[in-house]
Amino acid sequence: EVQLVESGGGLVKPGGSLRLSCAASGFTFSSYSMNWVRQAPGKGLEWVSSISSSSSYIYYADSVKGRFTISRDNAKNSLYLQMNSLRAEDTAVYYCARGHSGSSLFDYWGQGTLVTVSS
Amino acid sequence: DIQMTQSPSTLSASVGDRVTITCRASQSISSWLAWYQQKPGKAPKLLIYKASSLESGVPSRFSGSGSGTEFTLTISSLQPDDFATYYCQQYNSYYLTFGGGTKVEIK
Repeated sequence: EVQLVESGGGLVKPGGSLRLSCAASGFTFSSYSMNWVRQAPGKGLEWVSSISSSSSYIYYADSVKGRFTISRDNAKNSLYLQMNSLRAEDTAVYYCARGHSGSSLFDYWGQGTLVTVSS
Repeated sequence: DIQMTQSPSTLSASVGDRVTITCRASQSISSWLAWYQQKPGKAPKLLIYKASSLESGVPSRFSGSGSGTEFTLTISSLQPDDFATYYCQQYNSYYLTFGGGTKVEIK
């Protein structure tokens, strides 16, 4: 069974940093692209970042470019999101999601981790 | 970036109704469109990919159509489990974008 479990969310002050993790199991992690998608409270879905299976290709939404860094460790079956210079508008549930069959859509999602940026 | 516009934003319907949701892209995305269902407090679930391909395990009452810039998600006979919010997503570009969502409510 495919499982994605996010961790690392919490309350952080504006300008602060946080590192999210996503532990994957039930599939060959190193064969799939991975993604972060977020959802602000009461709002819609927003794609944040994608990373290819071997980390060769990385993409970011303009809203986080230069502040967030996506990475992965295929030996540990783990995906990460380093978030720096956090702003109030980054407050959201952050989902880890697996890429579907080599394309940029999402077939399995984690349960999400809440990041709250507030003073 | 490619903008995705869904309509309506809210839809009131009864069990057994045929429901159609529209998604329009700001430029042609060929058939690179997915549909997701999300229930409150839960992660989204993939329903349809490549505009009309049904994801494994998804009931056949869900169907998708369209290409280019205009797409539809149809639920042929609305069931109690289908009351949720639906999102479209384009993956024609590496810069992925979602529609604003359509909430399907009980009439």
